[in-house]
Amino acid sequence: DAMVIQNPRYQVTQFGKPVTLSCSQTLNHNVMYWYQQKSSQAPKLLFHYYDKDFNNEADTPDNFQSRRPNTSFCFLDIRSPGLGDAAMYLCATSRDLGSGGTSSYEQYFGPGTRLTVT
Amino acid sequence: SQKIEQNSEALNIQEGKTATLTCNYTNYSPAYLQWYRQDPGRGPVFLLLIRENEKEKRKERLKVTFDTTLKQSLFHITASQPADSATYLCAFISSGSARQLTFGSGTQLTVLP
Repeated sequence: DAMVIQNPRYQVTQFGKPVTLSCSQTLNHNVMYWYQQKSSQAPKLLFHYYDKDFNNEADTPDNFQSRRPNTSFCFLDIRSPGLGDAAMYLCATSRDLGSGGTSSYEQYFGPGTRLTVT
Repeated sequence: SQKIEQNSEALNIQEGKTATLTCNYTNYSPAYLQWYRQDPGRGPVFLLLIRENEKEKRKERLKVTFDTTLKQSLFHITASQPADSATYLCAFISSGSARQLTFGSGTQLTVLP
C-alpha cells in the first residue's frame, strides 16, 4: 500500500544534541510537509517542499532545518534541541500540480515521531 | 489575527446518537475546509473536503456543512459507534495557497457504548 513512513517512531535526545527525523513516501507526491504538534494542540506547519523548492514558515525557529534529497525522502534536522521542542513531529504529503493541473488538496500524514528531550 | 476555534475540547455522546462538532473561524476567508480524524499517537487521516461554494458534503455516515456567512463548519457523525471515538480536526486552505493548511486544535469525541 502507498504510504508515508516516519522513522523512528520514538526518539529521545539530550538537550542541545542534534537530531534528525526521517520521512519517506511511496505516493509519489510532489509536496512534503513537516508539522510540529504538542499535546492537545493543533499541528503547526514548520515548512514544506514543493518539488525541490523549500518554503519556510515565518515563525519557524532557525533551529529547525530540512532536506529533501529526492522525491521520496525528506528529513527534519533539529540543530540544538531544547526542552520546548519536545513534541510529535508529523510528516505529510500532497499532490499539487499548480494552476495547470489537478491538485488534490488532502494531505496524507505519517504516523509521527514522538521526540523527547532530556 | 486569524483564528480557528473548535467548539469544545471534549464531547461525550451515547452510541447511536448523532455527534455534531463545530469549527468557527475569524479574520479568515478559506477557499476549502477539511476535516481530519486523529487517533492517539497517530497522524491525522483525511475525511472530507468542502469548497466555499458548497453548502454540504456527505460521505457514508459523515456530513459536513460550510456557512461562509456564519463563518462556521459543522461536522456530523450519524449513528455514532465507539469506534468513532477520536480527535477530529478542522483545517482551512486559503485561496492563496493550496499548500497552506491551518488546523484547529481539535475536539476529542468519545462515543459511549
